[in-house]
Amino acid sequence: AQSVAQPEDQVNVAEGNPLTVKCTYSVSGNPYLFWYVQYPNRGLQFLLKYITGDNLVKGSYGFEAEFNKSQTSFHLKKPSALVSDSALYFCAVRIPQGYSTLTFGKGTMLLVSP
Amino acid sequence: DTAVSQTPKYLVTQMGNDKSIKCEQNLGHDTMYWYKQDSKKFLKIMFSYNNKELIINETVPNRFSPKSPDKAHLNLHINSLELGDSAVYFCASSQEGRNTIYFGEGSWLTVV
Repeated sequence: AQSVAQPEDQVNVAEGNPLTVKCTYSVSGNPYLFWYVQYPNRGLQFLLKYITGDNLVKGSYGFEAEFNKSQTSFHLKKPSALVSDSALYFCAVRIPQGYSTLTFGKGTMLLVSP
Repeated sequence: DTAVSQTPKYLVTQMGNDKSIKCEQNLGHDTMYWYKQDSKKFLKIMFSYNNKELIINETVPNRFSPKSPDKAHLNLHINSLELGDSAVYFCASSQEGRNTIYFGEGSWLTVV
């Protein structure tokens, strides 16, 4: 069975500083990896995904994520945080076979202070 | 032009009642899902339908019954609501062969 770990419940960063939200996964084979963001009282918005190819993937709102197969990690990054980036971030994994669905991590709250 | 829309957004109801949440997607996708987000924000798959056929049914009580009249719609009916059913329910869709699952805005269900 696949699982996703987001070790930090909360990440605090000052506006303008770089941010990293960590994610590691446990799954057999080569999974598809995703990041979603949830703003307060809103739905989940797709940010970016890794399927294959370049380990660094770029997504919406200036976010990027780096896939590291040896460390089974898919950390979310942004060079310069904005206050408006404050939200709940979910890492998710999907097995590329059959009718698979997303398995989510528990989420990491990102708080960007002015 | 909401891609995945679900109604109602907020629902407060008493224990024992029966309620439905409706979902529609205009993305032309052939697969739809229901996810549940609990009070700790944890997200878990409940059901998945492909071309109106049920393909994933996680360990969800029989009181929950999804219905897909066509591949653009997936409704969730809940019988005999219990306090523990209070959660946010997310509808989602994807096109099999493409990988991204797109979510609706969520339906906040509170059972009192």
